[in-house]
Amino acid sequence: GIQVEQSPPDLILQEGANSTLRCNFSDSVNNLQWFHQNPWGQLINLFYIPSGTKQNGRLSATTVATERYSLLYISSSQTTDSGVYFCAVGTSGGSNYKLTFGKGTLLTVNP
Amino acid sequence: DADVTQTPRNRITKTGKRIMLECSQTKGHDRMYWYRQDPGLGLRLIYYSFDVKDINKGEISDGYSVSRQAQAKFSLSLESAIPNQTALYFCATSAGGTTYEQYFGPGTRLTVT
Repeated sequence: GIQVEQSPPDLILQEGANSTLRCNFSDSVNNLQWFHQNPWGQLINLFYIPSGTKQNGRLSATTVATERYSLLYISSSQTTDSGVYFCAVGTSGGSNYKLTFGKGTLLTVNP
Repeated sequence: DADVTQTPRNRITKTGKRIMLECSQTKGHDRMYWYRQDPGLGLRLIYYSFDVKDINKGEISDGYSVSRQAQAKFSLSLESAIPNQTALYFCATSAGGTTYEQYFGPGTRLTVT
């Protein structure tokens, strides 16, 4: 099956700093989502972005499907951004319903 | 109100007990999913359902069963719980067709002692 690798596994920032999280995947995808899992365990949809670029406030994401990677940018980080960020992908060919998750990036934003 | 709800939110049970986790959605989506998350890992798919009459196994279905009671309800059962089923369980929905985005419930934290 498809492999999903996220980097870095851990990231510690001071409030106000910017960061880039990366997601590499091993096959063509027609579904790619970024999630934020908050300290209470809830999964928050950030972006649905199988290709192209999207922005939502301080967050933006870019997926380059032909090169099989996606980037999540967090600008002017806040302590509430802390948590785990997951990339999840679904492949074409009938498996688009099934999301394969990476292991996540644990982000800690210190005040 | 949340679009995808799960009950209970937390549950502690003993080895060998039968337990049911419930999921309801008001999004009007056809497709529903059950995932589990173990510490330090991403989510893995247990079962999925494309409509009331269509239920399919995911990658880790052993030890679990499901029931799609209605378009809006999808339940996960552990017939005889064991400690390695201790995990965080998520229900998710998607619209179907060429719309692939999935929306997740708040999760159920299950502990099997």
